[in-house]
Order: sequence, then structure tokens, then C-alpha cells
Amino acid sequence: KNQVEQSPQSLIILEGKNCTLQCNYTVSPFSNLRWYKQDTGRGPVSLTIMTFSENTKSNGRYTATLDADTKQSSLHITASQLSDSASYICVVRGENTGNQFYFGTGTSLTVIP
Amino acid sequence: NAGVTQTPKFRILKIGQSMTLQCTQDMNHNYMYWYRQDPGMGLKLIYYSVGAGITDKGEVPNGYNVSRSTTEDFPLRLELAAPSQTSVYFCASSYSAGELFFGEGSRLTVL
Repeated sequence: KNQVEQSPQSLIILEGKNCTLQCNYTVSPFSNLRWYKQDTGRGPVSLTIMTFSENTKSNGRYTATLDADTKQSSLHITASQLSDSASYICVVRGENTGNQFYFGTGTSLTVIP
Repeated sequence: NAGVTQTPKFRILKIGQSMTLQCTQDMNHNYMYWYRQDPGMGLKLIYYSVGAGITDKGEVPNGYNVSRSTTEDFPLRLELAAPSQTSVYFCASSYSAGELFFGEGSRLTVL
């Protein structure tokens, strides 16, 4: 069964600290993986996309990694800011799954001063 | 560009009432989707469309209907609202099955 699991479910960190969010998936064959940021009361917005051949990709203070062999991805946030408080959702698209995107349940991140 | 626009943002319905959630996009995307998001759950696909005149069921289509008469618009119809349809609904669009662009969401409560 194609699934996406994220951990931790929630996380509280101090402003300025780093954190890493995890995503494990069983979707096969794999096409790509995206991390989305969802602010409270808003729609998700894409942060990064990882394809099979990519190991690391950065977008400002956000760095995503992908290990396609172990089917794991991580999102590392450096020097966190209060505006990073949001839910981070891992979304996987399979190669032969047509229009099906598989969503994780998200990690709720709270950055406190 | 406004992106994906959903209306209304909030709505309270009584059991048995019907309503339509509106969604329009100005990015000329061929694919459009309706998802629902319940607390602690991942987004679940209700219906999707790969182009005008073409729609298909997703994971949780029961109690909903859609139409796609134009590239821009993809309304979601709720017939005979039930408490189980209390949720936040997101419309999204994409070029083929690429990056999803989401609307701001419509929060629906059925009492």
C-alpha cells in the first residue's frame, strides 16, 4: 500500500535553532517528492521538489534530502525564525499512479522566542 | 495573477442542505483537484479533472459532485450535507501532474 509517514507529529523549538523533519514513504515506483509549507488558515505552498536522481536541494534556509534506496526524505531548517511556525507536509507522486499524490499528515512546527 | 481562488472562505450548513464551493484559477492549468483536510489527517482527494469536460473520482467522492465546463472553473457541489462533511476544503491546480497550487481553503461546518 502506498503510504507517506512523517515524524515527529509536532515540534517546538527556540528561535534561531535548527531542526530536521522526517518523511518515510512506500510509494513505488517513485516519481518525485515535494515538501509543502502550510501556514495556519492558508493553503499549502511548495518549498522544494526532489526527483529520483537528486540527493540534496536547498531553498534559502530550507534543505531537503532524499535517499531513494531507503525511501526517506528530510527537511532541515536552519536558524529558525518565528515565521517558520507552520505545518510541513511531505507529498509523494508515484511514477504510474496517474493523478494520485500521496500526502503525509504533516509535522506541526512551532518556533518560540 | 490571483492564482487559485476559492469561495466562500467559511460556511455553516444545516444537515440536508446543499451548497456549491467555487474554485477558479487563472494560470491556465489543465489539472484541477478538490481535497478535504480533517484534523490530524493528510489531505484526501475528492475529485479531480485533467481538462475541461473531464472529471474523475478520487479517494472520498461520496456525497460530492463536480463539473468542469471551462479550464478556469471547477466547482464542488455538496448534496444533502451531513456532519461527516465538516472539514476544510482545498481546491488546487497544476500543469499536468506537477506542482500543486492551492487555494486558501473553505471551512465548512455542518450542524
